[in-house]
Amino acid sequence: DAKTTQPPSMDCAEGRAANLPCNHSTISGNEYVYWYRQIHSQGPQYIIHGLKNNETNEMASLIITEDRKSSTLILPHATLRDTAVYYCIVRVAQSSGDKLTFGTGTRLAVRP
Amino acid sequence: GAVVSQHPSRVICKSGTSVKIECRSLDFQATTMFWYRQFPKQSLMLMATSNEGSKATYEQGVEKDKFLINHASLTLSTLTVTSAHPEDSSFYICSATARGNEQYFGPGTRLTVT
Repeated sequence: DAKTTQPPSMDCAEGRAANLPCNHSTISGNEYVYWYRQIHSQGPQYIIHGLKNNETNEMASLIITEDRKSSTLILPHATLRDTAVYYCIVRVAQSSGDKLTFGTGTRLAVRP
Repeated sequence: GAVVSQHPSRVICKSGTSVKIECRSLDFQATTMFWYRQFPKQSLMLMATSNEGSKATYEQGVEKDKFLINHASLTLSTLTVTSAHPEDSSFYICSATARGNEQYFGPGTRLTVT
């Protein structure tokens, strides 16, 4: 799986958009970009994933650059409950037995 | 999303004893389950991958005789930490996936060995 680089920490104000970047310059053509988050002392939570098109769901939006070497996770209106460690992971398309390799992630602090 | 449970959520045991942690997929049949370990202020580290009905595949450096994994059914996997020592104290997290779907994580089990 391709290596990812994320800033160790970020903060944003409650109600504002949180934009979390991720670099994955060695991503292969068949690798997807996945985002998970982990709230303190809980298991990780799946957020979103994409291949090359931008994706949006009820939790977030994922913007992938045209060359696919970087992406941004956007939480449109951050709340205090969004304070967590966010992990960007790139991996081959889902199949039974695929494992996730977690990096150090970005610790997002949402301030009141 | 799908629900994965773990039991117990917290356990304290004495050094030298064994501890069993259960991971259940509550509303889907999990073809594969994964076990992770997370030390304080560190990321999740994969310990092993288990497929129903077959032996688990352990990551390099993880002792298979110390961390026994049983994936007896499509909804249950267990991790037994044998002869636990204080350095085994950690947050143990399982995840489950059905073929072609996402991985869903359990809430984790905090093990403290005294």
